[in-house]
Amino acid sequence: QKEVEQNSGPLSVPEGAIASLNCTYSDRVSQSFFWYRQYSGKSPELIMSIYSNGDKEDGRFTAQLNKASQYVSLLIRDSQPSDSATYLCAVLDTGNQFYFGTGTSLTVIP
Amino acid sequence: NAGVTQTPKFRILKIGQSMTLQCTQDMNHNYMYWYRQDPGMGLKLIYYSVGAGITDKGEVPNGYNVSRSTTEDFPLRLELAAPSQTSVYFCASTTTGADEQYFGPGTRLTVT
Repeated sequence: QKEVEQNSGPLSVPEGAIASLNCTYSDRVSQSFFWYRQYSGKSPELIMSIYSNGDKEDGRFTAQLNKASQYVSLLIRDSQPSDSATYLCAVLDTGNQFYFGTGTSLTVIP
Repeated sequence: NAGVTQTPKFRILKIGQSMTLQCTQDMNHNYMYWYRQDPGMGLKLIYYSVGAGITDKGEVPNGYNVSRSTTEDFPLRLELAAPSQTSVYFCASTTTGADEQYFGPGTRLTVT
């Protein structure tokens, strides 16, 4: 059974702070990793994808991948109340299947 | 460009009834997926398809069936509905299978 683990939270940060979200995965041969944001009652939407070790930055978001440690993270800088949502980590295996974590609930306090 | 559309948005079924959840995408994506999301949980893959005429089981396929006769449509069939199938169902699609998934708005299903 392939697993993707996230801290369920809830995680609360003040507006303007850095939010740090973490994810570990069990399938060592996974190559593609994704962070989705899901607002309550809505469908997931892609925030970041990362395929290589290291950091990938897109605006206020930075994804970090360490394949040796089977660890992927998402940093949100200058957090805004509109960032309040559940963040889902997803891992693609070699067989075309995506595995999702249970999500981390983030609340940004104004 | 409507993206991924799903119908119905909501449905209540009695135990033992059957229904089909519809999913259509207009982006010419080869890969399509069906997920279920239980409250407070992540998404679990039910079935997926890599192209018309090709389907395969995901993590939780029991109690469901799919077909993929066209690139655009990927219906999910529930036979003999059970309370354990109460969930929110999302359909998604991608171009290559290794990139961003585009999700439909979801179908909220209750089985009582």
